[in-house]
Amino acid sequence: EAGVAQSPRYKIIEKRQSVAFWCNPISGHATLYWYQQILGQGPKLLIQFQNNGVVDDSQLPKDRFSAERLKGVDSTLKIQPAKLEDSAVYLCASSSVEQGTPYEQYFGPGTRLTVT
Amino acid sequence: AQKITQTQPGMFVQEKEAVTLDCTYDTSDPSYGLFWYKQPSSGEMIFLIYQGSYDQQNATEGRYSLNFQKARKSANLVISASQLGDSAMYFCAMRVGGGADGLTFGKGTHLIIQP
Repeated sequence: EAGVAQSPRYKIIEKRQSVAFWCNPISGHATLYWYQQILGQGPKLLIQFQNNGVVDDSQLPKDRFSAERLKGVDSTLKIQPAKLEDSAVYLCASSSVEQGTPYEQYFGPGTRLTVT
Repeated sequence: AQKITQTQPGMFVQEKEAVTLDCTYDTSDPSYGLFWYKQPSSGEMIFLIYQGSYDQQNATEGRYSLNFQKARKSANLVISASQLGDSAMYFCAMRVGGGADGLTFGKGTHLIIQP
């Protein structure tokens, strides 16, 4: 079974530019999460989708970050315009009530963003 | 609001020794789940073990066990017979409620196994 896929793996941009990250969850997983992991810290939840609806986006900086999950499968996270403090690894995860430990989250390899 | 505290930024352990990684949590919700993840230098998050707040017994998964002390709000990870491949960052995380809510992570412990 394929895991969570993310692209690109690495991205370098200048501040004030825009960037987009893509995530393809495990097939059949209804819940999708985006986390931000700043160097030296644990991941922080940015947004959670259940199918194509937003469940929790309380920690998403909505003035510059946006995310969508059209058709309840793939998801895209966008930053516009980027700031230096957005440099981090962006992790996508998915979960299913039917699979694994109760709501265990399966993580993708992450996208490492560097803002210069 | 929920919070996870990991007080050991780094640990050095001799190979084959057992190691305990500390984790304390704070939540007022009676229903919650506690997770441990391993993050090697390659960056992927690897699920290790899960403990539900209503579970009567401590969780075990191979060489991993979770020392769950509910009254003290602690959920320490114990790795028996450590191996060189155990060197990584370890994160304790919590999910509040019985559903699929997002995880709250601690800052992690960097474990280094020495030969």
